[in-house]
Amino acid sequence: NAGVMQNPRHLVRRRGQEARLRCSPMKGHSHVYWYRQLPEEGLKFMVYLQKENIIDESGMPKERFSAEFPKEGPSILRIQQVVRGDSAAYFCASSPREGAGTEAFFGQGTRLTVV
Amino acid sequence: GEDVEQSLFLSVREGDSSVINCTYTDSSSTYLYWYKQEPGAGLQLLTYIFSNMDMKQDQRLTVLLNKKDKHLSLRIADTQTGDSAIYFCAEDKAAGNKLTFGGGTRVLVKP
Repeated sequence: NAGVMQNPRHLVRRRGQEARLRCSPMKGHSHVYWYRQLPEEGLKFMVYLQKENIIDESGMPKERFSAEFPKEGPSILRIQQVVRGDSAAYFCASSPREGAGTEAFFGQGTRLTVV
Repeated sequence: GEDVEQSLFLSVREGDSSVINCTYTDSSSTYLYWYKQEPGAGLQLLTYIFSNMDMKQDQRLTVLLNKKDKHLSLRIADTQTGDSAIYFCAEDKAAGNKLTFGGGTRVLVKP
């Protein structure tokens, strides 16, 4: 059973371009979470999705950021018109169900660099 | 200020015990977690403790929870060079896995 797979591992974008980050949860997991880690900081919650639904997007910036988790395929975090401040590591986590104490498994992250 | 706070850095000699401290603010948190992050890698869940417990031990790891002071600690016995990493504590503020992380403690184990 493969773990949470994120790709690409590293992504370089010029200012103004779009970045698309993909996350395939563990098999059997229908709950996906995205976190952002700025340099030298902890992880900050961005969004929580279940299949075809956004459950909680309270941590998403109001503009340029969007996320989806379609019925088929990976979850996508999209950042439009990237700026230097978007440079960070973006981590995806998945769990088989909701509920405190349910272990969330993290992917290895996508490190986005905006030049 | 930050909801979850940790000291930035800890240096320890191989074979000694390490103690990493964390304070949190939300008394309604039900679970508190410790994650390990090695350079360039994702987060690995080390252990977690339910809020009605005071202590949890798992091999070399001991978690202590003081609910009154909202203080959490992770003790690593017989610290090894492979334990060098960043350690994050995290709390859940709501049902599910929406975690609030501390800023991480960088642990350096010296031979």
